Amino acid sequence: AQSVTQPDIHITVSEGASLELRCNYSYGATPYLFWYVQSPGQGLQLLLKYFSGDTLVQGIKGFEAEFKRSQSSFNLRKPSVHWSDAAEYFCAVGPTGGGNKLTFGTGTQLKVEL
Amino acid sequence: DARVTQTPRHKVTEMGQEVTMRCQPILGHNTVFWYRQTMMQGLELLAYFRNRAPLDDSGMPKDRFSAEMPDATLATLKIQPSEPRDSAVYFCASGSSGGRETQYFGPGTRLLVL
Repeated sequence: AQSVTQPDIHITVSEGASLELRCNYSYGATPYLFWYVQSPGQGLQLLLKYFSGDTLVQGIKGFEAEFKRSQSSFNLRKPSVHWSDAAEYFCAVGPTGGGNKLTFGTGTQLKVEL
Repeated sequence: DARVTQTPRHKVTEMGQEVTMRCQPILGHNTVFWYRQTMMQGLELLAYFRNRAPLDDSGMPKDRFSAEMPDATLATLKIQPSEPRDSAVYFCASGSSGGRETQYFGPGTRLLVL
C-alpha cells in the first residue's frame, strides 16, 4: 500500500528565508507525486506534480520540488519565502498507470515571521 | 479559468437532518472525488466516480452517507441522518482519467452539525 510521511507538522521561517518541506513516500514503483497548498478556509491548490522525466519540477508561486528515488523523497523548496506563503502544504502520492486514488500526507503548517 | 464549484459553502444543521452537498466538476473531467477533512483525521477519501459510475466508496459510512452523479455536471453527497461527528469540511475534486491524472479541488463545504 502506498503511504506518505510529512515529518514536520509545523515549520516557522522568516520572510525572505529559504524553505524546504519534507515528504517521504512508500510505493512499490515510481509513483506520481504532488504538492498541494491550502490557505485558511480554502480548498487545495495544486503547486506542482511529478510524473516522469526531469526529477526537478517547477511549480507555481516560485516553488520547486525534487524527486529522489534513492531516498523515496519529494521535498518542496522555495528560495525566498513571502508572508503570503503561510498556509498548509500537503504532499500526495498516486499510482502510476492511473487508478486515481491519491494518498495524502498529514500536512505541514507553514508560518512566516515578518 | 475552469474551476470545481461546490454548494453550499457553509451549512449549519441540527442532528438528524438531511444534508445534501453539490459539486460541479470541471467541464470535460470524467472523474470526481469526495473527501472529508477534519483536524483529527486529516484528508480522507470518501468515494470516487469515473464516467458517473462509482468506483470506490469504501471510505464512506454506508448507513448514512450516499454519493451519486445524476449527470456529468453534477455530483452529490448526502448525509441522512446527520450527526455531530459529521462536522467537517467536505471537498470535491475532479480530474480526467487517462493515466497522468491530476485532481483539482473545489473550495469545500464547511458542515456543522449541532
